[in-house]
Amino acid sequence: DTGVSQDPRHKITKRGQNVTFRCDPISEHNRLYWYRQTLGQGPEFLTYFQNEAQLEKSRLLSDRFSAERPKGSFSTLEIQRTEQGDSAMYLCASSPGLSLGTQYFGPGTRLLVL
Amino acid sequence: AQSVTQPDIHITVSEGASLELRCNYSYGATPYLFWYVQSPGQGLQLLLKYFSGDTLVQGIKGFEAEFKRSQSSFNLRKPSVHWSDAAEYFCAGTNSGYALNFGKGTSLLVTP
Repeated sequence: DTGVSQDPRHKITKRGQNVTFRCDPISEHNRLYWYRQTLGQGPEFLTYFQNEAQLEKSRLLSDRFSAERPKGSFSTLEIQRTEQGDSAMYLCASSPGLSLGTQYFGPGTRLLVL
Repeated sequence: AQSVTQPDIHITVSEGASLELRCNYSYGATPYLFWYVQSPGQGLQLLLKYFSGDTLVQGIKGFEAEFKRSQSSFNLRKPSVHWSDAAEYFCAGTNSGYALNFGKGTSLLVTP
């Protein structure tokens, strides 16, 4: 059983550029979550999917952030017009079933905006 | 506001000594509570979780945690720390069933 994978592991970009991160959950996990972790802080919830449906997105940080999970498998998180304040670790997690389940986290994508 | 607080930013213990990491929660109802560990370059790994029932929860790697409603706490303990336990530890809670609220973490240093 492979764990949650994220790609890329590191991304350096210039301010104003768009970036997209990919997350592949554990197979057969229905729920997929995105979090952001800044230095010295715990992860901060951004959004989550139940299969392909995005059930909570009000905590995305701004309208520059968007996420998709088109076929209910992998997910992408896009940040448009990046700012230096977007520099952080972006974590993906997945969990099985419909009810509360343990969230299994991927290794994260570290973003640096210059 | 619903939150989880970890009062200690850094903890240093000697190898073989006992460990207790503190976690306090602030929720209207009893939340689901978790402890995760994060090592450099690694993802968050679940140590243990509390949903209901027995207030003493056993986890992996010899860790346990005790839920105390009267103190709004969910402290993590280990009787004898190993050098490999050095890492960042996060307490998290939720009553939504999906959005985990994490504390700021406690960095554990283990000395020889």
